[in-house]
Formats: sequence, structure tokens, C-alpha cells
Amino acid sequence: AQSVTQLGSHVSVSEGALVLLRCNYSSSVPPYLFWYVQYPNQGLQLLLKYTTGATLVKGINGFEAEFKKSETSFHLTKPSAHMSDAAEYFCAVSDRGATNKLIFGTGTLLAVQP
Amino acid sequence: SQTIHQWPATLVQPVGSPLSLECTVEGTSNPNLYWYRQAAGRGLQLLFYSVGIGQISSEVPQNLSASRPQDRQFILSSKKLLLSDSGFYLCAWSVIGISTAGSTFGSGTRLTVV
Repeated sequence: AQSVTQLGSHVSVSEGALVLLRCNYSSSVPPYLFWYVQYPNQGLQLLLKYTTGATLVKGINGFEAEFKKSETSFHLTKPSAHMSDAAEYFCAVSDRGATNKLIFGTGTLLAVQP
Repeated sequence: SQTIHQWPATLVQPVGSPLSLECTVEGTSNPNLYWYRQAAGRGLQLLFYSVGIGQISSEVPQNLSASRPQDRQFILSSKKLLLSDSGFYLCAWSVIGISTAGSTFGSGTRLTVV
């Protein structure tokens, strides 16, 4: 069975600083991994995904993530935080079955300080 | 292009009252459909998913039920709401079959049971 662990329910960075949000997964099959962002009282928006191929994936809003099989990790990074990045971020793994169910982590709330 | 509609955006209901939340998808056929609930600090919990009309799978035992009367319509219901049913409810869809695309989410319904 697949699972996701997000370390740090709250992360605070200064504007212009590096953003690092951590995600570790467990999967019995090669994983499909996703990062979603949620702004207050809104739905989830896909930031980026890894399925196969290049292990460094780039997404929207300057975010990227690297799939590291040896570490079972898929950490999300952004070189320079903007105030508009303040949101909740969710890592997810697909069950890779016909239902395409996503198993989510508990989320990380990112605060950006001026 | 595909769009997903979810309503209402907010809802305040008394304990013991019924509930009906509706979700519709446009621009695609035979999607997988999902209902998630988001409670504070608990991430996203998959409540129900459906792979076709009348086919509903429940992920967790609860006071809620789901129905899919039409291909692109997914309804979340309750006969008698509990305080613990409060939360942010999200509908989502994905393409049928094994997919690398992830899920697309609606804008959510904030339900407060008083």
C-alpha cells in the first residue's frame, strides 16, 4: 500500500529565502508522485508531478521537485520565496490502479515573512 | 476544456438536518469521480470514489453517502448531520484507467454543522 509523510506541518521562511518542503513516500510499485497547492478556501491546484523519466521536475510558479528513489523522497523546492507562495502544500502518491486514487500527506502550511 | 463545478461554496446546517452537495464535470466522458474531506490538521481524506454510473466505493465508514445518477454528476448526502461532519469537502475527477495526470479538484464546499 502507498503512503506519504510530510515532515513539518508549518514552515516559515523570509521573502527571498529558499523554500524546502519535505515529502517521503512508501510505495510497493514505482510511484507516481504529485505536489498540489491550496490557497485559503480554494480547491487544490497541481504544481508538478513525477511519473517516469527525468527525476528533477519543474512545475508552475518556479517550483521544482526531485525524485530520489534511494531516499524515497520527493521534496519540493523554490530558490526564492514570494509572498504569494503562502499557502498549504500537499504531497500525494497515486495508487496506480484503474481508480487513480491519490493518497495525500497531511500537508505543510507555508508562511512567508516580509 | 474540462471544468468541474461544485456547490454551494459555503453551507451552515443544524445538527440532524439533511445534506446534499453536488459536483458536475464538463468536457469529458466517463471520468473517475471522488469526494474528499479536509479537516483541520488532518490533510485530505478520501471518502468515496466512483468509476461509473451507480458504482460507488466507500473508503471510510461514516454518516455520509454518495451517489452518481449521471455520468458526470456526483452527489454527497447525509440524512442527519453530526457536528463531526463539519469540514471542507472537495470533489475531484480523473480520466478513466491508469493515468499519470493526477486529479483535478473543484473549489470546495465549507460545511459548518451547528
